[in-house]
Amino acid sequence: ILNVEQSPQSLHVQEGDSTNFTCSFPSSNFYALHWYRWETAKSPEALFVMTLNGDEKKKGRISATLNTKEGYSYLYIKGSQPEDSATYLCAFRSNDYKLSFGAGTTVTVRA
Amino acid sequence: NAGVMQNPRHLVRRRGQEARLRCSPMKGHSHVYWYRQLPEEGLKFMVYLQKENIIDESGMPKERFSAEFPKEGPSILRIQQVVRGDSAAYFCASSPGGTTNSPLHFGNGTRLTVT
Repeated sequence: ILNVEQSPQSLHVQEGDSTNFTCSFPSSNFYALHWYRWETAKSPEALFVMTLNGDEKKKGRISATLNTKEGYSYLYIKGSQPEDSATYLCAFRSNDYKLSFGAGTTVTVRA
Repeated sequence: NAGVMQNPRHLVRRRGQEARLRCSPMKGHSHVYWYRQLPEEGLKFMVYLQKENIIDESGMPKERFSAEFPKEGPSILRIQQVVRGDSAAYFCASSPGGTTNSPLHFGNGTRLTVT
């Protein structure tokens, strides 16, 4: 069982504020780290797939960094908006190609 | 471009009945994953399939659960003799292949309720 942990489990952010949260994963047998955004009553949608240590990806106001040596990734949301409210999932892909998900960080943006 | 299609969206079964969940991957995708989301928990890996092949079923209970992805037609997750603890949301995802770094594309899930 691959241990992928996300923290915090949930957080509340005021509209306009920036926030970030963590995904930690095994530092061995690394293949890729995925981030997904999951809105209520919808299916998870991919944000980023990251493969290289030191990688940084950006999509609009959302960005992510990756440290494969120490086994963590940060997701940042800049200037949070109500439409950013969702559960953000990270998933670790090992060399055997299995994708293991964390439990998610649920972000609620208050207007 | 149809995405990943799962049906039914909601399924109610009485204890002891069989549940059959279907998943049609995105066009051009030959790999299918099944995940289960129990109440208050995240997505738990169940099984990873290629056409006519089970690649990894390490997350699937050994008894009562089976999965297939035939050459023609959708992938099927079958749960025999369902029990209340099988009540969950079951999500299917597909990708073009196992060795790429493409993200998974998810269906909307099937919510199974066992009464």
